This record gives sequence, structure tokens and C-alpha cells, in this order.
Amino acid sequence: KNQVEQSPQSLIILEGKNCTLQCNYTVSPFSNLRWYKQDTGRGPVSLTIMTFSENTKSNGRYTATLDADTKQSSLHITASQLSDSASYICVVSGSVTDDYKLSFGAGTTVTVRA
Amino acid sequence: DAGVIQSPRHEVTEMGQEVTLRCKPISGHDYLFWYRQTMMRGLELLIYFNNNVPIDDSGMPEDRFSAKMPNASFSTLKIQPSEPRDSAVYFCASSFISGLSPGEQFFGPGTRLTVL
Repeated sequence: KNQVEQSPQSLIILEGKNCTLQCNYTVSPFSNLRWYKQDTGRGPVSLTIMTFSENTKSNGRYTATLDADTKQSSLHITASQLSDSASYICVVSGSVTDDYKLSFGAGTTVTVRA
Repeated sequence: DAGVIQSPRHEVTEMGQEVTLRCKPISGHDYLFWYRQTMMRGLELLIYFNNNVPIDDSGMPEDRFSAKMPNASFSTLKIQPSEPRDSAVYFCASSFISGLSPGEQFFGPGTRLTVL
């Protein structure tokens, strides 16, 4: 069973609207959680990296939250733009000694329509 | 900086042939990663290096796969012999860790491999 579950699998929103993506994980111990944006045909681009002591982190119109107690994270996109159409991948590092012992979610595909 | 450079961008080969993928990390980065991405399995970490030394290759699928990093500016991922199930997009990424903060990974554009 995948240790990182993302929902929804895909969603369609109208330009200018907000949306929230979810990431639940069972990885333990926990070191950090990353959100990546991947445009079609491109490599993933890092949006945020949060350690266990951080509850929220923003990158422009993207805001990530983390609840290490419930092992849940969310990525909120504000005032969506057509360029936000992409796949968003949640990645969890499960080792405090090996930062790159990573578990990957399957991603949420976001489509923004005019 | 040009970012992470990968070559070739596309590779089509026949089953049984040797395939070599190349990567040039961002200058000054001391970590290099090889990933594979498919629709079925998503993004998978194959192997990563620190200061040119392989640290974790537990993600390498089998002995047909090998990776080398002869110097700080070049790495290869080789598949010999290739099989149709190796068809995927292969990404290289590099990172630099400063202090205790986790390093942000910078991905290359990927190599789309098709094995017929």
C-alpha cells in the first residue's frame, strides 16, 4: 500500500477560483514533506518543503499546510490561472538521517479552464 | 545557470539494445538523483549520489540498470539489455544541502525512452 495518498486524483476548476489538494501519509518517522508542480512534458518543480515543525508555507498563490499529528497536508491554490494546469505531487521524506528516503504520491491533476 | 541538462531528450530503441542516458547537474550541487516516471507507477527514485558516490541504489529495478558518476559534472544511467517495460521518462535532478535544511531538488527536462 502506498504510504502517500493524494486526493482527488484529478479536478477541473474555473479560472480565478480556489482549490485545495489533499495529501495523507503514513510514513514514519517523518522528516519533511514536499509539494511539486509538474507541467506536461516537463520535470517537477519544487513548490514548498516543510519540516515537522512548520504548519504552513507559502509560495506566491500556493499555500501548503502540514499537520504532523494527523499526518495530513494540503496545498491551496488561490485565484487559479490557466498556467496552474499541471500535476501536483506530494512527497514525504521518512528518515531523519537520510533526507532522500522519499515516498511519492500518485499526484493530483489540476485543469484550469477559462 | 542552465539548470540540469539531460540528453538525449527522446530515445527510441529496440529490445535488447544498450541505452545510455546522460545528465549534467547544476554546478555546485553535491547530490544527484535518477528518477523514473510511468503512468502506472508514478515517480520512482532509482539511485542517488552524494559527492559522486552512490548512496542508495535500492530503487534500481534490476541488474540491467547501472549508474555512474565519474565526476561532479556528469552522470550516466545505462540499461543493458533494454526491454519494452523500461519505457518511461527518466529524470535527473540535483540538489545542494546547506546546514540542516532539506535540499530543494532541481529536475532536468527528462529523457523519454521508448523500447520497441
